[in-house]
Amino acid sequence: AQRVTQPEKLLSVFKGAPVELKCNYSYSGSPELFWYVQYSRQRLQLLLRHISRESIKGFTADLNKGETSFHLKKPFAQEEDSAMYYCALNPSGNTGKLIFGQGTTLQVKP
Amino acid sequence: DGGITQSPKYLFRKEGQNVTLSCEQNLNHDAMYWYRQDPGQGLRLIYYSQIVNDFQKGDIAEGYSVSREKKESFPLTVTSAQKNPTAFYLCASSMAGINTEAFFGQGTRLTVV
Repeated sequence: AQRVTQPEKLLSVFKGAPVELKCNYSYSGSPELFWYVQYSRQRLQLLLRHISRESIKGFTADLNKGETSFHLKKPFAQEEDSAMYYCALNPSGNTGKLIFGQGTTLQVKP
Repeated sequence: DGGITQSPKYLFRKEGQNVTLSCEQNLNHDAMYWYRQDPGQGLRLIYYSQIVNDFQKGDIAEGYSVSREKKESFPLTVTSAQKNPTAFYLCASSMAGINTEAFFGQGTRLTVV
């Protein structure tokens, strides 16, 4: 079955600490994976996608096919990073038709 | 301001009534989608449409209906058959093809009392 799992509902860290938001997926083919972010009172927006291998706002994510993971990392968290983060899988090549994880709320404390 | 617009932001309805949520985009995207967002469950796909006059059921289509008469519009009707309609509804659109970004609306919070 195609599934995305984010095991942590809430991740709370202090400003300047490293952050790792976990994402594991279940998919038999070659996955296309994304991280979306939803800041308070703002719309859901794309943060990054694995195929572009870019760093956005200091965040990176590496696809590990052996561990079927796509964890989101940032070496030094900022207060403005506080948001809801969703990991998503595109199983069909149609990038709007996504399978989302349950979401992780990141809380960065001052 | 280009983008995808959902209206209204908040909607209240009595149990047993049908209600229609609006979604409009001016991005010239071919594909549009409706998701439902519940706490602890992430986003789940209700319906999607890849072209005008065509749409497909998503994972949780029961109790919902859609239409796609115009490229820029994809309204969602929550019918009285939907057992648990109170939720946050998100509309999205994207260009056709692979590796294109999905753009989301601000959402509509529906409360059925």
